[in-house]
Amino acid sequence: GAGVSQSPSNKVTEKGKDVELRCDPISGHTALYWYRQSLGQGLEFLIYFQGNSAPDKSGLPSDRFSAERTGGSVSTLTIQRTQQEDSAVYLCASKRASLNEQFFGPGTRLTVL
Amino acid sequence: DAKTTQPNSMESNEEEPVHLPCNHSTISGTDYIHWYRQLPSQGPEYVIHGLTSNVNNRMASLAIAEDRKSSTLILHRATLRDAAVYYCILRANLGGKLIFGQGTELSVKP
Repeated sequence: GAGVSQSPSNKVTEKGKDVELRCDPISGHTALYWYRQSLGQGLEFLIYFQGNSAPDKSGLPSDRFSAERTGGSVSTLTIQRTQQEDSAVYLCASKRASLNEQFFGPGTRLTVL
Repeated sequence: DAKTTQPNSMESNEEEPVHLPCNHSTISGTDYIHWYRQLPSQGPEYVIHGLTSNVNNRMASLAIAEDRKSSTLILHRATLRDAAVYYCILRANLGGKLIFGQGTELSVKP
């Protein structure tokens, strides 16, 4: 079946612009996660949605970052007033509530000039 | 989540077994041990997880020390496609986020 999909695959933007990154999780997966991986750095947790519960936003680096998940499915990560340090690969993952395995998408490579 | 320690890099020859170690001396009784790997230019993928007993699946085996302070991921016959960064992660519950360390970069020589 279809895996986690993310769009766009690549995004180049200018410093100060807002960007939106989209994640389509696997159908039936109630948990959705956002991570990012900066060049040469490890993977960093950003935010986690589980069903109708309040999201775990503990990993968001600043108030310029926000995310929403509409209808318990698609999620959008928004970065306002982008900075060069926001350049990274942004990864989305989804999971069935009762299982351990997170399924990752291919990521969106964001470059802020 | 408790901290894990892994070697930065390891090398293996193709078709030979590979043992990837992970130390987690501060593990708590409710922490599950998870392994993920990240192939070049791809998102991470789940490999295996366990709590106390050794585990086997189609990808690998997980050997857990009796005191649970360390574990070893075993790839029985390494292939070139197994070259990746392998992450050992502790997580206390099913739903929680994954906290990735630096992982072990495995290279496989033909």
